[in-house]
Amino acid sequence: GAGVSQSPRYKVAKRGQDVALRCDPISGHVSLFWYQQALGQGPEFLTYFQNEAQLDKSGLPSDRFFAERPEGSVSTLKIQRTQQEDSAVYLCASSLVDTDVNEPYNEQFFGPGTRLTVL
Amino acid sequence: KNQVEQSPQSLIILEGKNCTLQCNYTVSPFSNLRWYKQDTGRGPVSLTIMTFSENTKSNGRYTATLDADTKQSSLHITASQLSDSASYICVVIPYSGGYNKLIFGAGTRLAVHP
Repeated sequence: GAGVSQSPRYKVAKRGQDVALRCDPISGHVSLFWYQQALGQGPEFLTYFQNEAQLDKSGLPSDRFFAERPEGSVSTLKIQRTQQEDSAVYLCASSLVDTDVNEPYNEQFFGPGTRLTVL
Repeated sequence: KNQVEQSPQSLIILEGKNCTLQCNYTVSPFSNLRWYKQDTGRGPVSLTIMTFSENTKSNGRYTATLDADTKQSSLHITASQLSDSASYICVVIPYSGGYNKLIFGAGTRLAVHP
């Protein structure tokens, strides 16, 4: 595929259920990001991977949120015991290289997102 | 807390008209500022990227400006088309010395009517 893909596109969960959201980055991209976008708001950073290493998880809102990228490609964001406030669009983005301030034009490519609704 | 504020929240214009969207930020120091377009149900797509030393960048009918002294940026859309209807998000990347962590504004929702 040419771009970042995410699945499922839509997920409805009952409060207390566990969910798993999948991200397939662009092949060969080193960096992978997860964002949470509440309705009518801009995305907010959740976590960042460089290959299989999770270098920053400071944006994860609670210990119910867990992300992994075991082989440095596909990533999964897992939310345990979902709450209504977890309802949002979860965006995944990837970039070719390890981004740094000397590479300001390094592009992040976003997937279409997974819309999670917790009832 | 670093912040990115955008105005207006929403805007309706007629097809063919021009418009300007505003972004004020307090992130400092910063590496670069980006404008993204987000269609409904899609992920954001980059329109322009400007470093702190650049003050204008064009991409077709989109022109972004940056004043790093006043910490303001604008996105000007010329000769609007129906397909320009979307959210436009201003994004600032802090000078973190490491990876890019994007700080997003809430966006301006633009509706272009025939």
